[in-house]
Amino acid sequence: GAVVSQHPSRVICKSGTSVKIECRSLDFQATTMFWYRQFPKQSLMLMATSNEGSKATYEQGVEKDKFLINHASLTLSTLTVTSAHPEDSSFYICSAREDRSGYGYTFGSGTRLTVV
Amino acid sequence: GQSLEQPSEVTAVEGAIVQINCTYQTSGFYGLSWYQQHDGGAPTFLSYNALDGLEETGRFSSFLSRSDSYGYLLLQELQMKDSASYFCVFDAGNMLTFGGGTRLMVKP
Repeated sequence: GAVVSQHPSRVICKSGTSVKIECRSLDFQATTMFWYRQFPKQSLMLMATSNEGSKATYEQGVEKDKFLINHASLTLSTLTVTSAHPEDSSFYICSAREDRSGYGYTFGSGTRLTVV
Repeated sequence: GQSLEQPSEVTAVEGAIVQINCTYQTSGFYGLSWYQQHDGGAPTFLSYNALDGLEETGRFSSFLSRSDSYGYLLLQELQMKDSASYFCVFDAGNMLTFGGGTRLMVKP
């Protein structure tokens, strides 16, 4: 089945630094990938939709200058959290659906970001 | 806008049957999906309903009534490993909207 690889799984960074998270579709091409954020004991909230070769679409309230998304190829999307602050500490998850498949999205294993 | 409502927590015993309900409001509809997420893990796809009726996949079944804007996930022969969060998810075809999630605790 479709596999989405997300790295790193955990990262601790200092306040004010930037962190890059990678999301790769390993055995399929994905023109669209999605980035979610999940706070403890809460649901997944869509942050942005990443489109290959074009600008990402951000959800209301998500700062596009802070959360930079690059979808440079059909198998790779990256999310960079710039000038991270403790309130950005969260679980970040990407997902994609194989363009040819019927139902169901495949999710990456998530990245636990802790900003200290 | 879109919204999905589901209970926040459900507790059941091993071997039992549990039903997790989901009601939704949306201006357009493609389908209702269910995802399972264990603590610290990624959501995994369980089932999808685009049409009214029951979809069965092993111990899990999902039901949809579009006229009632209602669906449910039925888990049978509960096992300890079923303890997880379950999300009903509105599938608009090109994006997902997650409900708040139901935390299922299975006790011996």
